[in-house]
Amino acid sequence: RKEVEQDPGPFNVPEGATVAFNCTYSNSASQSFFWYRQDCRKEPKLLMSVYSSGNEDGRFTAQLNRASQYISLLIRDSKLSDSATYLCVVNNQAGGGNKLTFGTGTQLKVEL
Amino acid sequence: GAVVSQHPSWVICKSGTSVKIECRSLDFQATTMFWYRQFPKQSLMLMATSNEGSKATYEQGVEKDKFLINHASLTLSTLTVTSAHPEDSSFYICSARDFEGIYSNQPQHFGDGTRLSIL
Repeated sequence: RKEVEQDPGPFNVPEGATVAFNCTYSNSASQSFFWYRQDCRKEPKLLMSVYSSGNEDGRFTAQLNRASQYISLLIRDSKLSDSATYLCVVNNQAGGGNKLTFGTGTQLKVEL
Repeated sequence: GAVVSQHPSWVICKSGTSVKIECRSLDFQATTMFWYRQFPKQSLMLMATSNEGSKATYEQGVEKDKFLINHASLTLSTLTVTSAHPEDSSFYICSARDFEGIYSNQPQHFGDGTRLSIL
């Protein structure tokens, strides 16, 4: 079983739609969680951290369910510029360690 | 602006050539840098953790004699792919973390990546 699992997609949605991505992780001792965005042939860029209480940044909302080992990302009012691959990322090292494990990513295509 | 610079962006070379990739942290000191590899439609896979002034820590299955890492200063780590072959063709990305400074709000800052093609 992969440490971090995501539906690869692609998710093809019309502009203005709301779309949700899910991710599960296998290590119950995982410390911190993130969503990254990766454009084609580019490096990943941090979109947002994910907290147990849930957090929102503009049109983006992230949720974490530690009991189910499940992370989600909700994008409202999708824009063409949101088209990218969204990577679910987990940090498994305690004590200030910083080893990130990446999911394979979910591809989003926003269309006119 | 970028806080981690990676060079070169593209490399195309013949089989058997050794290729060196540089990763520099800008505006902060990075005692630890990370090297990843990403094949098409796959996730980023950590290859090794580069530690300034000491030996790198390699992930399982990554040949340390094939992928030489040197982290000689607090702002520079290099990855050398020795005697590269077509199966080494991939997207190589480095990252660094600013533990204490103004860029410490992110878990890691990534370089632009190096696309390596071995003919």
